[in-house]
Amino acid sequence: DAMVIQNPRYQVTQFGKPVTLSCSQTLNHNVMYWYQQKSSQAPKLLFHYYDKDFNNEADTPDNFQSRRPNTSFCFLDIRSPGLGDAAMYLCATREGKNQPQHFGDGTRLSIL
Amino acid sequence: AQKVTQAQTEISVVEKEDVTLDCVYETRDTTYYLFWYKQPPSGELVFLIRRNSFDEQNEISGRYSWNFQKSTSSFNFTITASQVVDSAVYFCALSASGGSNYKLTFGKGTLLTVNP
Repeated sequence: DAMVIQNPRYQVTQFGKPVTLSCSQTLNHNVMYWYQQKSSQAPKLLFHYYDKDFNNEADTPDNFQSRRPNTSFCFLDIRSPGLGDAAMYLCATREGKNQPQHFGDGTRLSIL
Repeated sequence: AQKVTQAQTEISVVEKEDVTLDCVYETRDTTYYLFWYKQPPSGELVFLIRRNSFDEQNEISGRYSWNFQKSTSSFNFTITASQVVDSAVYFCALSASGGSNYKLTFGKGTLLTVNP
Protein backbone atom coordinates (compact mmCIF):
# COMPACT_ATOMS: atom_id res chain seq x y z
CA ASP A 1 0.00 0.00 0.00
CA ALA A 2 1.29 3.42 -0.92
CA MET A 3 2.43 5.35 2.14
CA VAL A 4 3.17 8.70 0.53
CA ILE A 5 0.49 9.56 -1.98
CA GLN A 6 0.69 12.36 -4.49
CA ASN A 7 -2.22 13.56 -6.54
CA PRO A 8 -2.58 13.97 -9.36
CA ARG A 9 0.12 11.93 -11.09
CA TYR A 10 0.07 14.29 -14.05
CA GLN A 11 -1.06 17.89 -13.97
CA VAL A 12 -1.40 20.30 -16.85
CA THR A 13 -1.96 23.98 -16.24
CA GLN A 14 -1.81 27.17 -18.21
CA PHE A 15 0.89 29.76 -17.99
CA GLY A 16 0.09 32.01 -15.05
CA LYS A 17 -2.83 29.94 -13.76
CA PRO A 18 -2.46 28.93 -10.10
CA VAL A 19 -2.07 25.25 -9.44
CA THR A 20 -2.02 23.13 -6.29
CA LEU A 21 -0.33 19.79 -5.88
CA SER A 22 -1.20 17.56 -2.96
CA CYS A 23 0.62 15.04 -0.84
CA SER A 24 -0.71 12.80 1.89
CA GLN A 25 0.97 10.24 4.10
CA THR A 26 -0.15 7.31 6.20
CA LEU A 27 3.17 7.06 8.05
CA ASN A 28 2.49 9.76 10.64
CA HIS A 29 5.96 11.19 10.02
CA ASN A 30 6.64 14.60 11.44
CA VAL A 31 8.76 15.90 8.57
CA MET A 32 7.45 16.49 5.06
CA TYR A 33 9.43 17.77 2.08
CA TRP A 34 8.73 19.16 -1.37
CA TYR A 35 11.29 18.74 -4.12
CA GLN A 36 11.41 19.96 -7.70
CA GLN A 37 13.14 17.71 -10.20
CA LYS A 38 13.81 18.78 -13.75
CA SER A 39 14.79 16.42 -16.50
CA SER A 40 18.14 14.69 -15.98
CA GLN A 41 18.76 16.53 -12.73
CA ALA A 42 18.79 15.63 -9.08
CA PRO A 43 15.82 16.58 -6.90
CA LYS A 44 16.06 20.11 -5.57
CA LEU A 45 14.62 20.84 -2.15
CA LEU A 46 12.05 23.64 -2.14
CA PHE A 47 10.96 23.59 1.50
CA HIS A 48 10.10 21.30 4.35
CA TYR A 49 7.92 21.16 7.42
CA TYR A 50 9.07 19.91 10.80
CA ASP A 51 5.64 19.38 12.34
CA LYS A 52 4.07 22.78 11.76
CA ASP A 53 7.35 24.64 11.45
CA PHE A 54 7.91 25.75 7.87
CA ASN A 55 11.46 25.90 6.51
CA ASN A 56 11.98 27.57 3.17
CA GLU A 57 15.14 27.10 1.12
CA ALA A 58 16.91 30.36 0.41
CA ASP A 59 16.68 29.97 -3.36
CA THR A 60 13.04 28.86 -3.56
CA PRO A 61 11.11 31.43 -5.63
CA ASP A 62 8.33 33.37 -3.91
CA ASN A 63 6.00 31.91 -6.51
CA PHE A 64 6.08 28.65 -4.55
CA GLN A 65 4.09 28.35 -1.35
CA SER A 66 3.16 25.48 0.89
CA ARG A 67 0.52 24.54 3.43
CA ARG A 68 0.38 21.76 5.95
CA PRO A 69 -3.06 21.76 7.58
CA ASN A 70 -2.36 18.59 9.56
CA THR A 71 0.21 15.82 9.95
CA SER A 72 -1.12 13.83 7.03
CA PHE A 73 -1.44 16.44 4.32
CA CYS A 74 0.87 18.90 2.65
CA PHE A 75 0.18 21.10 -0.37
CA LEU A 76 2.39 22.86 -2.87
CA ASP A 77 0.87 25.99 -4.38
CA ILE A 78 2.38 27.61 -7.45
CA ARG A 79 0.79 31.03 -7.69
CA SER A 80 1.71 31.96 -11.26
CA PRO A 81 3.40 29.07 -13.03
CA GLY A 82 5.93 29.90 -15.68
CA LEU A 83 7.29 27.64 -18.39
CA GLY A 84 10.38 27.08 -16.27
CA ASP A 85 8.27 25.49 -13.53
CA ALA A 86 7.49 22.46 -15.65
CA ALA A 87 9.02 19.60 -13.71
CA MET A 88 8.41 16.56 -11.58
CA TYR A 89 7.42 17.52 -8.04
CA LEU A 90 8.25 15.01 -5.36
CA CYS A 91 6.89 14.84 -1.85
CA ALA A 92 8.79 12.97 0.86
CA THR A 93 8.41 12.24 4.55
CA ARG A 94 10.83 11.37 7.30
CA GLU A 95 10.34 10.16 10.83
CA GLY A 96 13.58 10.86 12.65
CA LYS A 97 16.74 12.73 11.86
CA ASN A 98 18.70 9.68 10.80
CA GLN A 99 15.92 7.88 8.99
CA PRO A 100 15.56 7.67 5.21
CA GLN A 101 13.11 9.88 3.39
CA HIS A 102 10.16 8.09 1.84
CA PHE A 103 9.06 9.50 -1.49
CA GLY A 104 5.75 9.59 -3.26
CA ASP A 105 5.39 8.76 -6.95
CA GLY A 106 5.60 12.41 -7.88
CA THR A 107 3.41 14.77 -9.88
CA ARG A 108 4.62 15.67 -13.33
CA LEU A 109 3.59 19.25 -14.04
CA SER A 110 3.27 20.60 -17.56
CA ILE A 111 2.71 24.25 -18.41
CA LEU A 112 0.89 25.23 -21.60
CA ALA B 1 29.03 22.37 3.11
CA GLN B 2 28.15 18.95 1.82
CA LYS B 3 28.78 17.57 -1.61
CA VAL B 4 28.11 14.28 -3.36
CA THR B 5 29.82 13.40 -6.61
CA GLN B 6 28.67 10.70 -8.95
CA ALA B 7 31.24 10.89 -11.70
CA GLN B 8 29.48 8.41 -13.98
CA THR B 9 26.67 10.17 -15.80
CA GLU B 10 25.59 7.13 -17.82
CA ILE B 11 26.51 3.46 -17.81
CA SER B 12 25.33 0.87 -20.29
CA VAL B 13 25.80 -2.86 -19.71
CA VAL B 14 24.50 -6.10 -21.09
CA GLU B 15 22.28 -8.24 -18.93
CA LYS B 16 24.11 -10.47 -16.44
CA GLU B 17 27.12 -8.19 -16.30
CA ASP B 18 28.20 -6.82 -12.93
CA VAL B 19 28.22 -3.05 -12.62
CA THR B 20 29.53 -0.66 -9.97
CA LEU B 21 28.18 2.83 -9.44
CA ASP B 22 30.61 5.21 -7.80
CA CYS B 23 29.82 7.78 -5.14
CA VAL B 24 32.23 10.14 -3.42
CA TYR B 25 31.10 12.52 -0.71
CA GLU B 26 32.39 15.52 1.21
CA THR B 27 31.33 16.67 4.64
CA ARG B 28 32.92 18.19 7.70
CA ASP B 29 30.46 16.52 10.05
CA THR B 30 31.58 13.46 11.96
CA THR B 31 28.04 12.12 12.12
CA TYR B 32 26.39 11.63 8.78
CA TYR B 33 24.30 9.19 6.81
CA LEU B 34 24.65 7.95 3.27
CA PHE B 35 21.84 6.70 1.09
CA TRP B 36 21.22 5.20 -2.29
CA TYR B 37 17.94 5.74 -4.11
CA LYS B 38 16.69 4.21 -7.35
CA GLN B 39 14.51 6.19 -9.74
CA PRO B 40 12.98 4.03 -12.49
CA PRO B 41 11.43 5.64 -15.59
CA SER B 42 8.08 5.89 -13.80
CA GLY B 43 9.60 8.59 -11.60
CA GLU B 44 9.29 7.52 -7.99
CA LEU B 45 12.39 7.53 -5.81
CA VAL B 46 12.87 4.17 -4.12
CA PHE B 47 15.01 3.95 -1.00
CA LEU B 48 17.65 1.21 -1.25
CA ILE B 49 20.03 1.58 1.68
CA ARG B 50 21.15 3.83 4.54
CA ARG B 51 24.58 3.75 6.11
CA ASN B 52 25.77 5.78 9.09
CA SER B 53 29.26 7.19 9.40
CA PHE B 54 30.19 4.90 12.27
CA ASP B 55 29.42 1.68 10.47
CA GLU B 56 31.85 0.79 7.72
CA GLN B 57 30.61 -2.73 7.41
CA ASN B 58 29.78 -3.59 3.83
CA GLU B 59 26.31 -4.81 3.10
CA ILE B 60 24.83 -7.31 0.68
CA SER B 61 21.18 -7.61 -0.19
CA GLY B 62 20.51 -10.13 -2.90
CA ARG B 63 22.22 -8.92 -6.06
CA TYR B 64 23.00 -5.55 -4.48
CA SER B 65 26.07 -4.77 -2.42
CA TRP B 66 27.53 -1.59 -0.98
CA ASN B 67 31.14 -0.75 -0.16
CA PHE B 68 31.59 2.08 2.33
CA GLN B 69 35.15 3.36 2.80
CA LYS B 70 35.65 6.40 5.02
CA SER B 71 39.34 6.58 4.10
CA THR B 72 38.41 7.48 0.53
CA SER B 73 35.00 9.06 1.34
CA SER B 74 33.31 6.64 -0.99
CA PHE B 75 30.09 4.66 -0.88
CA ASN B 76 29.98 2.54 -4.01
CA PHE B 77 27.10 0.39 -5.14
CA THR B 78 27.49 -2.86 -7.07
CA ILE B 79 24.78 -4.77 -8.89
CA THR B 80 25.73 -8.36 -9.59
CA ALA B 81 24.26 -10.16 -12.61
CA SER B 82 22.37 -7.10 -13.75
CA GLN B 83 18.85 -7.38 -15.15
CA VAL B 84 16.82 -5.20 -17.47
CA VAL B 85 14.64 -4.19 -14.52
CA ASP B 86 17.68 -2.59 -12.92
CA SER B 87 17.60 0.11 -15.59
CA ALA B 88 17.05 3.37 -13.74
CA VAL B 89 18.74 6.49 -12.46
CA TYR B 90 20.56 5.84 -9.21
CA PHE B 91 21.17 8.66 -6.76
CA CYS B 92 23.65 8.68 -3.93
CA ALA B 93 22.77 11.10 -1.14
CA LEU B 94 24.25 12.45 2.08
CA SER B 95 22.48 13.66 5.21
CA ALA B 96 24.38 15.28 8.04
CA SER B 97 23.86 17.13 11.28
CA GLY B 98 25.08 20.63 11.81
CA GLY B 99 24.08 23.37 9.47
CA SER B 100 22.24 21.19 7.01
CA ASN B 101 19.85 19.87 9.65
CA TYR B 102 19.77 16.43 8.09
CA LYS B 103 18.63 17.59 4.70
CA LEU B 104 19.55 15.32 1.82
CA THR B 105 22.30 16.38 -0.53
CA PHE B 106 21.96 14.41 -3.74
CA GLY B 107 24.54 13.56 -6.32
CA LYS B 108 23.60 14.22 -9.93
CA GLY B 109 22.68 10.59 -10.49
CA THR B 110 23.91 7.81 -12.73
CA LEU B 111 21.68 6.53 -15.51
CA LEU B 112 22.09 2.78 -15.74
CA THR B 113 20.84 1.03 -18.84
CA VAL B 114 20.83 -2.74 -18.85
CA ASN B 115 20.38 -4.14 -22.33
CA PRO B 116 18.97 -7.62 -22.98
